[in-house]
Amino acid sequence: DIVLTQAPLSVSVTPGESASISCRSSKSLLSSKGITSLYWYLQKPGKSPQLLIYRMSNLASGVPDRFSGSGSETDFTLKISKVETEDVGVYYCAQFLEYPWTFGGGTKLELK
Amino acid sequence: QVKLQQSGAELVKPGASVKLSCKTSGYTFSTSYMSWFKQIPGQSIEWIGMIYAGDGGTDYNQKFKGKATLTVDTSSSTAYMDLSSLTTEDSAVYFCANSRYWGQGVMVTVSS
Repeated sequence: DIVLTQAPLSVSVTPGESASISCRSSKSLLSSKGITSLYWYLQKPGKSPQLLIYRMSNLASGVPDRFSGSGSETDFTLKISKVETEDVGVYYCAQFLEYPWTFGGGTKLELK
Repeated sequence: QVKLQQSGAELVKPGASVKLSCKTSGYTFSTSYMSWFKQIPGQSIEWIGMIYAGDGGTDYNQKFKGKATLTVDTSSSTAYMDLSSLTTEDSAVYFCANSRYWGQGVMVTVSS
């Protein structure tokens, strides 16, 4: 199975500041079609996950452009610029390249 | 708008089975895929499997083969997941999700 390792486990950010979350894959997530199948989700407290970024760097509809995704074949970054109170929760990366689909362990974002 | 409405919380005895439902609206269910996920509170997310509503074809995480069975009823735009031979390790929140949206989740508690 593809293992996704997220860092840090938690991050504390002052509102208005930026935050970055890392996700490292045990295998390249670049498909033969040239698509990098890495996704980012935010799970707010007591809620279901919501899609933020798809295929490594594409912003899902309705998601503020404060969120951005980047990376290579195995190393990925989610950046949140100007963090707001509504950004609090646990962030997960996920790979949908091959079965079984897998998720990272999560990064908890809190406000200072 | 797209909605995935899951059935209510379940309390079941060890060894029993339970059938969870996910009623959809706002998109064309009959030609879509539906995935199911498991999340133990405080932990990350596991992919259980996926079903194509068009022909009922399924793909499962090997870990959940024999545990979960996915079906659909296209006449009611509803997806189902049967969980069998339940143990305390199956106590978790279960989510359905299409390619973009997630249900609200349903808590399954296995206890005598």
